Amino acid sequence: DGGITQSPKYLFRKEGQNVTLSCEQNLNHDAMYWYRQDPGQGLRLIYYSQIVNDFQKGDIAEGYSVSREKKESFPLTVTSAQKNPTAFYLCASISRAPGRGPGSTEAFFGQGTRLTVV
Amino acid sequence: QKEVEQDPGPLSVPEGAIVSLNCTYSNSAFQYFMWYRQYSRKGPELLMYTYSSGNKEDGRFTAQLNRASQYISLLIRDSKLSDSATYLCVVNQVTNAGKSTFGDGTTLTVKP
Repeated sequence: DGGITQSPKYLFRKEGQNVTLSCEQNLNHDAMYWYRQDPGQGLRLIYYSQIVNDFQKGDIAEGYSVSREKKESFPLTVTSAQKNPTAFYLCASISRAPGRGPGSTEAFFGQGTRLTVV
Repeated sequence: QKEVEQDPGPLSVPEGAIVSLNCTYSNSAFQYFMWYRQYSRKGPELLMYTYSSGNKEDGRFTAQLNRASQYISLLIRDSKLSDSATYLCVVNQVTNAGKSTFGDGTTLTVKP
């Protein structure tokens, strides 16, 4: 089955600890994105990568880091510098959708990781 | 001001009702418009897309785009229990299209 897999589903972090969220895809997409979702809010972009070995900061990158050593994998590290990390984290791989119109894309999301600080 | 504003909700309707979910955008550079559906504790999934002014139908769902008013809506007819979810309005520019802009979402509950 093609898809995008996030793990773990639930993660608990102690104060001052770094944690890494896994995101793997077998859709052969070049672009992968990390979003944060807080209750009652939309998705905010943390980091994104358009190609292997390259990534860019999104709107809320402070306190987070990523790597993109393989096309299939885009892990996100939540560092101790992120002061309010409790949230739902979503990873997506993005494909162009030719024939659907200008600017057309489709995002395929994982099932998310719920991170809680304890 | 946010670039994409959705009616905040939450909405609660009986089965069989017609529901309209509404979204406005402030940047005329947005050219491609999508609705994603997100069930509780799950990742969003693409429900509909449009880029032409007017209506686009897919079964019980109709996406409406009004470029002049910078307004999009999702109409759901004959609501079902399985329509209970959060609906996200999502827009793309032509350049850097992968960096979609998301609305905050409207949570819909369909009751028996």
